[in-house]
Amino acid sequence: AQRVTQPEKLLSVFKGAPVELKCNYSYSGSPELFWYVQYSRQRLQLLLRHISRESIKGFTADLNKGETSFHLKKPFAQEEDSAMYYCALSPISGSARQLTFGSGTQLTVLP
Amino acid sequence: EAGVTQFPSHSVIEKGQTVTLRCDPISGHDNLYWYRRVMGKEIKFLLHFVKESKQDESGMPNNRFLAERTGGTYSTLKVQPAELEDSGVYFCASSQGQKQFFGPGTRLTVL
Repeated sequence: AQRVTQPEKLLSVFKGAPVELKCNYSYSGSPELFWYVQYSRQRLQLLLRHISRESIKGFTADLNKGETSFHLKKPFAQEEDSAMYYCALSPISGSARQLTFGSGTQLTVLP
Repeated sequence: EAGVTQFPSHSVIEKGQTVTLRCDPISGHDNLYWYRRVMGKEIKFLLHFVKESKQDESGMPNNRFLAERTGGTYSTLKVQPAELEDSGVYFCASSQGQKQFFGPGTRLTVL
């Protein structure tokens, strides 16, 4: 069965400090991995996906197939990064593209 | 361009009553997904429409939930009769490719 694990429910860092949100997954085959973010009073939105290998708002995430991980990193956290972050996966091909989410990590960046 | 919209934003009903949630996807998006987040748990997939057809409804919890997408445009999710454990936030998402765009969600409270 496919599963996404985010071990930290809450994470606090100071502004300017590095931040890493952990995500591990289990899936038979090759999934596509995503990070979604939900800022206060806003809707869930895509932050980045492993296939595009881009950096959004200074965040990066590298897919490590050996460790089945997709940790989200940012070298210098900003207060506006405070939000709920969800790691998710979906099949990489086929018509069934529903997302399987982790339980989320609430990131608070302190001034 | 208008994003995914959902109605109502909040609904408070009593156990045993019926509630219908509506989702309007982004125009032209063939794929429509329903998810829900029950208090304290992760966001879980309910079902997936491709146009007006149900592609996958494996996540529907039981037969008290009925989803429709007449004409392949907007979708409704009806809960009848509602139970206490149905309380949570119901999200709709639409896509034309792999990237899913989420609505703001409907917060359902069953008393």
